[in-house]
This record gives sequence, C-alpha cells and structure tokens, in this order.
Amino acid sequence: GNSVTQMEGPVTLSEEAFLTINCTYTATGYPSLFWYVQYPGEGLQLLLKATKADDKGSNKGFEATYRKETTSFHLEKGSVQVSDSAVYFCALSPTQGGSEKLVFGKGTKLTVNP
Amino acid sequence: DSGVTQTPKHLITATGQRVTLRCSPRSGDLSVYWYQQSLDQGLQFLIQYYNGEERAKGNILERFSAQQFPDLHSELNLSSLELGDSALYFCASSVGAVPGNTIYFGEGSWLTVV
Repeated sequence: GNSVTQMEGPVTLSEEAFLTINCTYTATGYPSLFWYVQYPGEGLQLLLKATKADDKGSNKGFEATYRKETTSFHLEKGSVQVSDSAVYFCALSPTQGGSEKLVFGKGTKLTVNP
Repeated sequence: DSGVTQTPKHLITATGQRVTLRCSPRSGDLSVYWYQQSLDQGLQFLIQYYNGEERAKGNILERFSAQQFPDLHSELNLSSLELGDSALYFCASSVGAVPGNTIYFGEGSWLTVV
C-alpha cells in the first residue's frame, strides 16, 4: 500500500541553522508529493509540491526534490527563522487506486530558538 | 485563508452524544475530504466525496457518516461518541478528482468528548 515515513522529531535548531527533514515514501506508480505545515493552533497549509520525478518544489525558502530512485522528498531550508517553528507533514497523492486522497507521514515538530 | 470553512471551531460534548461538523469547500471545488488528527493516530483519512458522490472511504468508523449536498457543502456526523473520538477534524477540498491536484485544508473543528 501507500505510505510515508518521516524522520521523527522533535527537531530543535538555532536561528539561521540549516534544516533537513527526511521523507521517504512507498507507492505504486508515480505519486505526487507534498509538504504541508501546521503552525501552532492552525490548520494545514500547503508548503510545496512536486508532481513528477526530478521536480523541485519551493516556497518561502524551503525546497524539496522528488527523487524517484531513492523514493524520497526531503525538505530543506538554508537558514531557518523562529517563525518557521511548526509541525511539518510529508504527504503523497497516489496516481493509482481510484482516489487522489493524501496519505500523510506522522509529522515532524520543528522548534527554532533565537 | 484557504477558503475552506469549517464550523464549529470548538465543541465539547458528552459520551454517547451525537454531533455534526460542517464544511464549506472553496468556491468551485467539487471534492471534499475529511481527516481526523489525533496525537496517537496522526492524520487519518476518513472519507472523500466528489460532486455529491462518495469517492473513497478510509478509516471511518461505522458510528460516523458523512454526506455532500447539492450545494457542495459537506457534513460529518459523529454518533455514540466515545472519549477516544476527541480529536481535531479537518475538512479539505480540491477542484476535481485528479491525481496531484492541490488539496486545501480548513482550520479544523476541535472535538472534546467528556
């Protein structure tokens, strides 16, 4: 079946540090891949997406590249800010199976200290 | 603001009771999804409707039911509530039923069962 595995948190960084959150997936075919972010007390917001192999999604300084050979979609940011503190979810939308519903990883909580 | 509206934002109810959560999708979106977020289970897909018809069903309990109305708004009915049903319930919407289309989330309805 379809599944997403994220690195377990929590992750604590100092401001301006480099961020990597690992995400790997298992899916039939070629799913679309997403990163969503949930700020404290808020809903889920789409951060970035990639729909085919080697695509790079980017937004607000965050980047992730769809790597089919390693079935990965790692999230990176070169210099984090306190305002990036949130929970980050990796997700896939399958292209087979009759529904494009999102399958989520368990989430990684990021705390950025000043 | 994602454009997905959920009501109520918070509710507290007793075990054994029934509640209805309401969702208005983004203007023009035909697909509606319901997710449950709890600490131990993470983000679980419950059910999807597309243009009034059920499209996919996930880990939705028999005590729960949903529907999508002709005006495309959706309701999630939770009955015979148990303490374990306490969670954040998200509604989401997307334009169609196409793999890779972006799914937008509401801010969620916090349900506390006491």
